[in-house]
Amino acid sequence: NAGVTQTPKFQVLKTGQSMTLQCAQDMNHEYMSWYRQDPGMGLRLIHYSVGAGITDQGEVPNGYNVSRSTTEDFPLRLLSAAPSQTSVYFCASSYSGQTYNSPLHFGNGTRLTVT
Amino acid sequence: GDSVTQMEGPVTLSEEAFLTINCTYTATGYPSLFWYVQYPGEGLQLLLKATKADDKGSNKGFEATYRKETTSFHLEKGSVQVSDSAVYFCALFDGGATNKLIFGTGTLLAVQP
Repeated sequence: NAGVTQTPKFQVLKTGQSMTLQCAQDMNHEYMSWYRQDPGMGLRLIHYSVGAGITDQGEVPNGYNVSRSTTEDFPLRLLSAAPSQTSVYFCASSYSGQTYNSPLHFGNGTRLTVT
Repeated sequence: GDSVTQMEGPVTLSEEAFLTINCTYTATGYPSLFWYVQYPGEGLQLLLKATKADDKGSNKGFEATYRKETTSFHLEKGSVQVSDSAVYFCALFDGGATNKLIFGTGTLLAVQP
């Protein structure tokens, strides 16, 4: 049972480069989301999706795009990387968006450094 | 807006010591409260939860009680082990428009043998 799989685990980009962080889940979860984790700031929601074809912004969406063409996949695209996007990125999914009774399952994270 | 405040870390304890990690929250409604744990090199995983006032969540020897009167959800364990070394995150869910969890900043626990 793979759960939530994120690739790559580590990435170094130069300022201005673009890339896609991959996230896939095999639990048939409707809700998927992307968080970034920064020291002293906890986790902040970037984008989320409540089902295939539906996405919406979280609290820190600028500089990131997402799409949800299938239930399983939820890639996060950095359009033009900036040093401020250096962070650890987590993908998380749950059966529904009501996380009081449907806990989030997290991937192991992608550590991104932008130079 | 809603928020979660946790005690600053790191918290360093000897094995078998008693653990308390403080967590308080601000919310306009009646949120559900959670503790997530992040072991080194891994993603977060749910440790325990409580969905209404006076509920006690428990798992793996950890406990936390939802105290509405003090807006708190402190994490406790009677006897910590080296394997409990991790970062602990308090979080709340208020069912708002984004259906998102609001996380605290995390508290690093280091248990020494």
